[in-house]
Amino acid sequence: GAGVSQSPSNKVTEKGKDVELRCDPISGHTALYWYRQSLGQGLEFLIYFQGNSAPDKSGLPSDRFSAERTGGSVSTLTIQRTQQEDSAVYLCASNEGTGGEAFFGQGTRLTVV
Amino acid sequence: DQQVKQNSPSLSVQEGRISILNCDYTNSMFDYFLWYKKYPAEGPTFLISISSIKDKNEDGRFTVFLNKSAKHLSLHIVPSQPGDSAVYFCAASRGGKLIFGQGTELSVKP
Repeated sequence: GAGVSQSPSNKVTEKGKDVELRCDPISGHTALYWYRQSLGQGLEFLIYFQGNSAPDKSGLPSDRFSAERTGGSVSTLTIQRTQQEDSAVYLCASNEGTGGEAFFGQGTRLTVV
Repeated sequence: DQQVKQNSPSLSVQEGRISILNCDYTNSMFDYFLWYKKYPAEGPTFLISISSIKDKNEDGRFTVFLNKSAKHLSLHIVPSQPGDSAVYFCAASRGGKLIFGQGTELSVKP
């Protein structure tokens, strides 16, 4: 595709439910990142995939959060038993894995009610 | 542990003047630095970058300066335009992992 695509663009869920957020990176990009932006906050690093290496999960805030990247392409961020503090915009980015410019998707706005 | 810090949450500048956005980092192993711009309800977009082996990079109205001894980088926008009003994030990279600062909201007034 032409850019990084994220779905859904908006998600409202009830507290305690599980949610899955999807990211389609730019074709050929080996690196994929997930970030979170809570209201009034900066871009909080969550997880980083680089090729076939083990992902860097050091930013995941709790064990309710997990992410997969299947076939080196599409990634899914899963949040189990959502809490109100999980409400944020979740942003995905990809690049060629050289540490240079990363391209972002439009984000998924998650609201937990 | 905030490895990349933007200590000014907001900045207001008059149109035509220079905007200077600042960023500090703590990890001397970072090898690449980037600036992103973000409008509301959109993903961040890349603006300009600099390698750790350089001290300046210029692209049109945008110049990034890197002071490695001070672990400080800055973004200069001159002349500032109302369309530059956005949130600006600095980012640092090591081994491909990108760490962002908290952002500075720039407002350019006509």
